[in-house]
Amino acid sequence: AQKVTQAQTEISVVEKEDVTLDCVYETRDTTYYLFWYKQPPSGELVFLIRRNSFDEQNEISGRYSWNFQKSTSSFNFTITASQVVDSAVYFCALSDTGRRALTFGSGTRLQVQP
Amino acid sequence: ETGVTQTPRHLVMGMTNKKSLKCEQHLGHNAMYWYKQSAKKPLELMFVYSLEERVENNSVPSRFSPECPNSSHLFLHLHTLQPEDSALYLCASSQDLMTGKVYGYTFGSGTRLTVV
Repeated sequence: AQKVTQAQTEISVVEKEDVTLDCVYETRDTTYYLFWYKQPPSGELVFLIRRNSFDEQNEISGRYSWNFQKSTSSFNFTITASQVVDSAVYFCALSDTGRRALTFGSGTRLQVQP
Repeated sequence: ETGVTQTPRHLVMGMTNKKSLKCEQHLGHNAMYWYKQSAKKPLELMFVYSLEERVENNSVPSRFSPECPNSSHLFLHLHTLQPEDSALYLCASSQDLMTGKVYGYTFGSGTRLTVV
């Protein structure tokens, strides 16, 4: 069965520190998609990135980077030089053939202190 | 108005009340979803609608009753809820089911429900 595990419930860092949010997934499929969403205090989940299972190239977008490793079934998210505005709950999600909709993890609450 | 809009933003209801949550999207999407967000638990998929037809009911108790009268609107009717039903209820939409699985969803801001 498909499953997404975000073992870190809450992380607190000081501004300008680097922080990595972990995501481990389970799926029987060879074709699947992985996502990261950000949930600010306003509530709506905001899309950050998607990867398909055939593209293991890591991606960098500004201060954000993602490390996809099929060998360890992980899709980790790193924020470099964190800022207070990065404070939010971050969700990892999986899409495969087992369900009609995305399967989400429990989220990691990131607090960046000034 | 663009995006996915959910009303009300906050709702407090007694266990014997009947209330409804509303979700509206003007994105031209044909698939809509209800998720439940409880503290320290994964986002729980509740219902999936495609072209106004319910295609998934994820073992949700009958005290939650969804309705999709057209592709732009999705409701969640609530009846005789329990305190453990207190949560953030999120609505999402996608162009269609397959597009949603490949490209993800657009989410609303949610309704914070408190059952007293």
